Amino acid sequence: NAGVTQTPKFRILKIGQSMTLQCTQDMNHNYMYWYRQDPGMGLKLIYYSVGAGITDKGEVPNGYNVSRSTTEDFPLRLELAAPSQTSVYFCASSSDTGTSLPGELFFGEGSRLTVL
Amino acid sequence: LAKTTQPISMDSYEGQEVNITCSHNNIATNDYITWYQQFPSQGPRFIIQGYKTKVTNEVASLFIPADRKSSTLSLPRVSLSDTAVYYCLVHGPTSGGSYIPTFGRGTSLIVHP
Repeated sequence: NAGVTQTPKFRILKIGQSMTLQCTQDMNHNYMYWYRQDPGMGLKLIYYSVGAGITDKGEVPNGYNVSRSTTEDFPLRLELAAPSQTSVYFCASSSDTGTSLPGELFFGEGSRLTVL
Repeated sequence: LAKTTQPISMDSYEGQEVNITCSHNNIATNDYITWYQQFPSQGPRFIIQGYKTKVTNEVASLFIPADRKSSTLSLPRVSLSDTAVYYCLVHGPTSGGSYIPTFGRGTSLIVHP
């Protein structure tokens, strides 16, 4: 199994450009997440989804959008790139445990984005 | 979102036992504590999870006191390859009503020869 796959691994954007970070998982997980990690810092939640067709904001959603049309895919879109969005982005997924809490997180390898 | 507090950094030497304590004063009654490990340029990976008392697996032990306001990750006989950032996770309610994993800043562990 591939697990969680993110593309691209690296990208340089100019200020004001738009792009989409792709994330796909093959574990049939209901929960999917996007985190960003700035140098020396922990991971901050951008958006999450508890199932196809359902998305919600995390701690730092401004400047980003997501969609969840299928269980497998959870793309993250940056509409007008800004230098403050320079970061490493991680996509993750977890299973539905049947309680109010999700299961173990499985992460992709990350996408390093630089906005100049 | 629920918050956790850990030491920012720790140093150890090969062969020593390392204990990293995390504070989670507002943990929900039904929540569990999970620890993750992150190497540079990689996503975090699961180490261990527990609800109360003690949990042990092949890589670590997790100690959780009765009040569950803190937890301690114990790494026995660390090696150089244990140099990484360690995160303690709890789940915090979001504005949408879901309980979602919340990361703090983590503890950067450096193991010296």
